[in-house]
Amino acid sequence: DAGITQSPRHKVTETGTPVTLRCHQTENHRYMYWYRQDPGHGLRLIHYSYGVKDTDKGEVSDGYSVSRSKTEDFLLTLESATSSQTSVYFCAISGSGGNNEQFFGPGTRLTVL
Amino acid sequence: TQLLEQSPQFLSIQEGENLTVYCNSSSVFSSLQWYRQEPGEGPVLLVTVVTGGEVKKLKRLTFQFGDARKDSSLHITAAQPGDTGLYLCAGRPAGNKLTFGGGTRVLVKP
Repeated sequence: DAGITQSPRHKVTETGTPVTLRCHQTENHRYMYWYRQDPGHGLRLIHYSYGVKDTDKGEVSDGYSVSRSKTEDFLLTLESATSSQTSVYFCAISGSGGNNEQFFGPGTRLTVL
Repeated sequence: TQLLEQSPQFLSIQEGENLTVYCNSSSVFSSLQWYRQEPGEGPVLLVTVVTGGEVKKLKRLTFQFGDARKDSSLHITAAQPGDTGLYLCAGRPAGNKLTFGGGTRVLVKP
């Protein structure tokens, strides 16, 4: 199994508070991704990174920011959480070359009250 | 935005029956992947298909990529309760991003 961990695994927070989710990998993969998964929507890309300090937006990036200061860590921040951001968040990694096969972390269940 | 439509959204069958899940798009993909996800876990890659018309078999699972590389199917023969899960297709248009379908939830009853 690819070495990917996410923390926290569960979080309950209140509307308007900042939240940071962490993804950590031990595979030294170049690419890292943050997705959210909601019923009926499959996985939707929030942001991704193609190297240290190199990030780009996905299809649902509004209200989210990311940072990658080290190869192994990719942080997702909700500056001011809203109830619409209640979801399960998955981090994924992939290496250079190949067909972009992605390996996923175990997910973080976030509830915004 | 390139969309991938999966059908059906939900499938409930008895152990031993066969099933097929479809993944369709109007866009061409350089490759297409199938993932399976169990409750409380992240998706796990099953297979990648790259060539139009390609067929890959993984035990009782058969994956096919359409000739035009716009669609794919997953066929499970003699389904077992262990096949229960959410099946996701994901297309790679270009570069290093994937577009995911909405998923097909499969329930195999003993």
